[in-house]
Amino acid sequence: DADVTQTPRNRITKTGKRIMLECSQTKGHDRMYWYRQDPGLGLRLIYYSFDVKDINKGEISDGYSVSRQAQAKFSLSLESAIPNQTALYFCATSDPPGGGTDNEQFFGPGTRLTVL
Amino acid sequence: ILNVEQSPQSLHVQEGDSTNFTCSFPSSNFYALHWYRWETAKSPEALFVMTLNGDEKKKGRISATLNTKEGYSYLYIKGSQPEDSATYLCAFHTNAGKSTFGDGTTLTVKP
Repeated sequence: DADVTQTPRNRITKTGKRIMLECSQTKGHDRMYWYRQDPGLGLRLIYYSFDVKDINKGEISDGYSVSRQAQAKFSLSLESAIPNQTALYFCATSDPPGGGTDNEQFFGPGTRLTVL
Repeated sequence: ILNVEQSPQSLHVQEGDSTNFTCSFPSSNFYALHWYRWETAKSPEALFVMTLNGDEKKKGRISATLNTKEGYSYLYIKGSQPEDSATYLCAFHTNAGKSTFGDGTTLTVKP
C-alpha cells in the first residue's frame, strides 16, 4: 500500500466551484506539504504544515486554503476554482530536520485538476 | 521567494554519453540540498540528500557534489541509459524548514 495517498486522482470541475483535494499518509511524519506543478515549471509550494496546529503559507497560497485534520491528513481547498488553477497537485510528507532523513520529502501520486 | 535555478532546462544525449547539470541556490540559511528524480506519470523520488559542504554522494552511475559556500550542486550521470530519462529536480532547504524546488532539468537519452 502507498505511504502517501491522494484523492481524487483526476478531477474536472467548473469555474466558481468549491473543490477539496485530500491527502493521507501512513509514514507517521509530522510535516506535510501541498505543491502544484505547471508545464515547464517545477514544484511550487502552496501551503505547508509542521504539525497539526501549524499551518504556513507557501509562495503561491492565494486562492487556496488548507486544513490539517490530523497528523495523517492534510486537505487542500479551492474555494472558488478558476481556470488558471488547472495543474497537477502533489502532497508530500517529511520528518523534521535531524530526524534521520534531513527533511527528505515523500510524494503522493498527484491529482490532476482541470478547471473549465 | 528563494531563488533556486537549474540548468540546462533540458538535455538530449545519446546512450552512453556522460552528462551533468547544475543547481544553484542561496548560500545563506542552508540546511540541506536534495536531488529528486521524476519520471513521467510518476511522483518525484529522492536520489540524494546532501547537508555538508563538500559532500559527494553516489548511487550507481549517478553522483552529486555540493558546494554550500558558493551555492551550487552538480549532478553527474556516467554512461547515460534510456532508463535515465526523467526530470531531475533539486530542492533547497533552509534551517527554518522551508523548501524551494528548482524548475528541473529534463533529460532524454536516445538509444
